[in-house]
This record gives sequence, structure tokens and C-alpha cells, in this order.
Amino acid sequence: DIQMTQSPSSLSASVGDRVTITCRASQSISSYLNWYQQKPGKAPKLLIYAASTLQSGVPSRFSGSGSGTDFTLTISSLQPEDFATYYCQQSYSTVFTFGPGTKVDI
Amino acid sequence: QVQLVESGGGVVQPGRSLRLSCVASGFTFSSYGMHWVRQAPGKGLEWVAVIWYDGSKEYFADSVKGRFTISRDNSKNTVYLQMSGLRADDTAVYYCARGEGSSSFEHWGQGTLVTVSS
Repeated sequence: DIQMTQSPSSLSASVGDRVTITCRASQSISSYLNWYQQKPGKAPKLLIYAASTLQSGVPSRFSGSGSGTDFTLTISSLQPEDFATYYCQQSYSTVFTFGPGTKVDI
Repeated sequence: QVQLVESGGGVVQPGRSLRLSCVASGFTFSSYGMHWVRQAPGKGLEWVAVIWYDGSKEYFADSVKGRFTISRDNSKNTVYLQMSGLRADDTAVYYCARGEGSSSFEHWGQGTLVTVSS
């Protein structure tokens, strides 16, 4: 199975900061990489699919890049509502896997 | 609008079985693959299983393979997760999610909590 890693596991940031989260796959997954945001007690929210396509309704401060094994999620200017946990997920294999998550807090 | 509603969670003893259901509405259910994803308390997301739109294929995470089965009834707009041989580490909130073309998950249910404990 394809293993996903994320770094950092957590980070502290301030409103207005630029934040970058990295996701790495154990083998090439082309651009089959999705990003989610999850807040406590809520279902995850899809932010980006196919590595770089912004889901409808998601603010443009979120962006994704990468292909192969290395991917990044960038928040250009962190807003108060962005404090949450972020997960990557590969959809290259039919055994889909999530990364362990990155918690973004103040 | 798309709606997914899970049910069937509860407290169950180790080794016993439980069946979760997810009723879908607001879209053509028979056109979409359906997934189960779980989240143990305080932990990350873990993909569990998928069933193809027509029920022709199923795939499972290694952690549940041989113990869980997934099925669907397109006439009832419902996907099921049959869990057997439950263990303490199966304790989690179980979400159903609709698979999109990119195999991402845009639509999720609210989740149902399964607690495996004696």
C-alpha cells in the first residue's frame, strides 16, 4: 500500500502568515492527491483535488502544488477560520490512504 | 442538496458484529462509488473501504480486510458496512463519503460513533 507522510505534524502561526504543509507519498502517485481541512467535531472539508485544483467555494488563499511523490498545500495569508487540521489523501491506488495530518494552531 | 446520513453505531463487545448504514439523497446514488472513512478518538483519518457505483468491486484497508464487508442497495440509496470480529482499535467515528471523479471526497455524512468495549 502507498504510505503518506506529512510535515510538520503541527505548527503554530499567526493571522496573516504564509503557511506551507508538505505531503510525501511512498511511491509516485502522479497528481492523484487531495487536501482536506478538518475542524474539531466536524467532517473533513475538501479543499483541493488532483494536487492543484481548488474545490468550488474554497478561498483562493489556499493552493496546492506538486506531482509524483512530493506535494505542498499553501495558505497564503492565514485567517482565523483556518486554524484546523489538514490532511492529504492519495487516490492513485484503490487502497486510498490519508496522511497523518498537520495541526495548525495559534 | 447532497445528503449522507449514517446510522447503526453504538457500543459493542469485542468480537461481536455491527452493521452501519448510510442513506444518500440529493443525487443519483447509483452513479457514484461510496467510501467509508473512520477516525479514532483524537486520531487522524483512516480510509476503510470503497464499493464501486454498481457494486462490482470492493477494496479494503489492510486493517479491516477479512473482517469488514461493504455492500450497497441502489434501490434504497444505501451503502452498508458490515463489521465483524470487532476489536478495541476499531473504536472510531465512521463516516461515509461520496467518491468524486478524482476519487476525492467532497460530500461526507455526519459520522456515527462505534465503541468497542467490554
